[in-house]
Amino acid sequence: QSALTQPASVSGSPGQSITISCTGPNGDLDIYKSVSWYQQHPGQAPKLVIYDVSIRPPDISDRFSGSKSGNTASLTISGLQTEDEADYYCCACPSSYSLENFMFGGGTKLTVL
Amino acid sequence: QADLVQSGAEVMRSGASLRVSCKASKYTFINYYLHWVRQAPGHGLEWMGWINGYTGATGYEQEFQGRVTLSRDTSVDTVYLNMRSLTFNDTAVYYCARRASMKVVGPHYALDVWGQGTTVTVSS
Repeated sequence: QSALTQPASVSGSPGQSITISCTGPNGDLDIYKSVSWYQQHPGQAPKLVIYDVSIRPPDISDRFSGSKSGNTASLTISGLQTEDEADYYCCACPSSYSLENFMFGGGTKLTVL
Repeated sequence: QADLVQSGAEVMRSGASLRVSCKASKYTFINYYLHWVRQAPGHGLEWMGWINGYTGATGYEQEFQGRVTLSRDTSVDTVYLNMRSLTFNDTAVYYCARRASMKVVGPHYALDVWGQGTTVTVSS
């Protein structure tokens, strides 16, 4: 059902960097107003870590960064820490028919080895 | 710190109707939208719909159109999710989450505050 495509899983060792990709339907993310990213630990509510493609909320570590290139948005986590192990979801607000409707990617499970 | 507090867990019979509440505090309710997102066990996040805290206008994901109704009571800064004709597939954790309107500083296209979630179990 997800209109946004993410890898099912990624992994990395402490101190390394990883990148999670998010691709729009038909490979075109440009029609979307904005992209945000959410972190979810087991049993907890999601938490916003990146919005408007690359902006970090004040309480989010600068190890988290976002970008978009062509058809793909990306979340990069540098200097991996064990507490980064979680599920990550991209989210887009489409501009094609409504500025208020959102859609999520299928989620990516990050494992810190 | 803005907060969203949701009503407690529900166990429902198939075919029944559900009501979940989401009470906002420590921010100006009418300056924000409230969205609803659900997560079935072992699955990802599924966006359901939104309500404008000021106007009461709503929007729904097509899958939920006609079966879900969002409403709000500005006197108690609370939003309600009503869902009818429940089936087993509606078993999920339901979250409310806030999105800023253009009247205030953003983020305007992201969900920056989330409720704790309401677990809904539908049985036959």
